[in-house]
Amino acid sequence: EAEVAQSPRYKITEKSQAVAFWCDPISGHATLYWYRQILGQGPELLVQFQDESVVDDSQLPKDRFSAERLKGVDSTLKIQPAELGDSAMYLCASSLAWTVQETQYFGPGTRLLVL
Amino acid sequence: GNSVTQMEGPVTLSEEAFLTINCTYTATGYPSLFWYVQYPGEGLQLLLKATKADDKGSNKGFEATYRKETTSFHLEKGSVQVSDSAVYFCALSDRGSGYSTLTFGKGTMLLVSP
Repeated sequence: EAEVAQSPRYKITEKSQAVAFWCDPISGHATLYWYRQILGQGPELLVQFQDESVVDDSQLPKDRFSAERLKGVDSTLKIQPAELGDSAMYLCASSLAWTVQETQYFGPGTRLLVL
Repeated sequence: GNSVTQMEGPVTLSEEAFLTINCTYTATGYPSLFWYVQYPGEGLQLLLKATKADDKGSNKGFEATYRKETTSFHLEKGSVQVSDSAVYFCALSDRGSGYSTLTFGKGTMLLVSP
């Protein structure tokens, strides 16, 4: 069964450093999502792509976060500079389309710890 | 705006007990409803879904019925196993600014003892 791939699985960094996370969605999935999950909470959407275009980044802290999906396939989420409050699980998900009924499939996540 | 409210955990049960995890929602449109499960250190896995009122989603012995009149999507299982111990998230998908968005509850931890 096809899966969403993410790397790294774990990342420890010091505050003010730059970090980057990578996601490879299920083949053929046009829609890609990045979520942030704080311990004990549900995931919250950061950014949503349709192919290579950003369609929703209203919750992305744009002063420090950036995301790209240049060829409409894999995607990178970057934080620069990292802050202590960025410690969380970063989840990537993909879906075949953006319709309400469509299922989002999640990767294993990247757990970030900022010291 | 959209929101999902789940019962707080942890829910602690003995093996073979009956499980109910309550979920209610608020949505502006006609949402689809989902239950996801998260095992320790892993991402979210879809457990079941329902896309319209009165639909029943089911998978691996778990069931949930989309009740529009009570805006609820309660998760049930007749006989839980130790391997069902995980965090369960209720979520809704609704049309945002032209694209669908997924809104999650805070999650309910289930602990099943032998």
